[in-house]
Amino acid sequence: GDSVTQMEGPVTLSEEAFLTINCTYTATGYPSLFWYVQYPGEGLQLLLKATKADDKGSNKGFEATYRKETTSFHLEKGSVQVSDSAVYFCALSDRDQFYFGTGTSLTVIP
Amino acid sequence: EAGVAQSPRYKIIEKRQSVAFWCNPISGHATLYWYQQILGQGPKLLIQFQNNGVVDDSQLPKDRFSAERLKGVDSTLKIQPAKLEDSAVYLCASSLGGDSSPLHFGNGTRLTVT
Repeated sequence: GDSVTQMEGPVTLSEEAFLTINCTYTATGYPSLFWYVQYPGEGLQLLLKATKADDKGSNKGFEATYRKETTSFHLEKGSVQVSDSAVYFCALSDRDQFYFGTGTSLTVIP
Repeated sequence: EAGVAQSPRYKIIEKRQSVAFWCNPISGHATLYWYQQILGQGPKLLIQFQNNGVVDDSQLPKDRFSAERLKGVDSTLKIQPAKLEDSAVYLCASSLGGDSSPLHFGNGTRLTVT
């Protein structure tokens, strides 16, 4: 069945450091891929998405590229800020069914 | 546009009591989902509705959990009787439908069962 595996945390970075959170997926069809972010006490918010191979999703300085050959959708940001501290979830949708990774907690220290 | 509305935000009950959660999705969103999120884990699907019909409830513990979506808009999720392991955040999400349509989440209801 479909599934998402993402890098375990927690991740702690200094402000302005480079961020990578790894995500790989398994899918039987042609899924769309998403990154969601969850701030404390809130629901998940869509960060970015990509709907087909080689698409790059981007938002707020974050980027992820849909790599079909490696079944990956790694999240990157060139310079993190304290306000980026949150939990990040990789997800896929396949025929209206969504599958989430376990989440990666990021803490950015000044 | 208004987001997904959920209430209450917090609920504390004793085991064996009952509880109900309410969700109002984004206007026009045909698909509605209820997820359970245990601390430190990703969301786990409980039930998915398309309009007022159930698409997937394979992971809903039907001996104690029930959900309905009357008129294809608002939805309620009920637990009766609650167990300690039901302590979690219950998230409602909605979507226009189609693989490229993202989920839009509410802020959730944090349930504590004592």
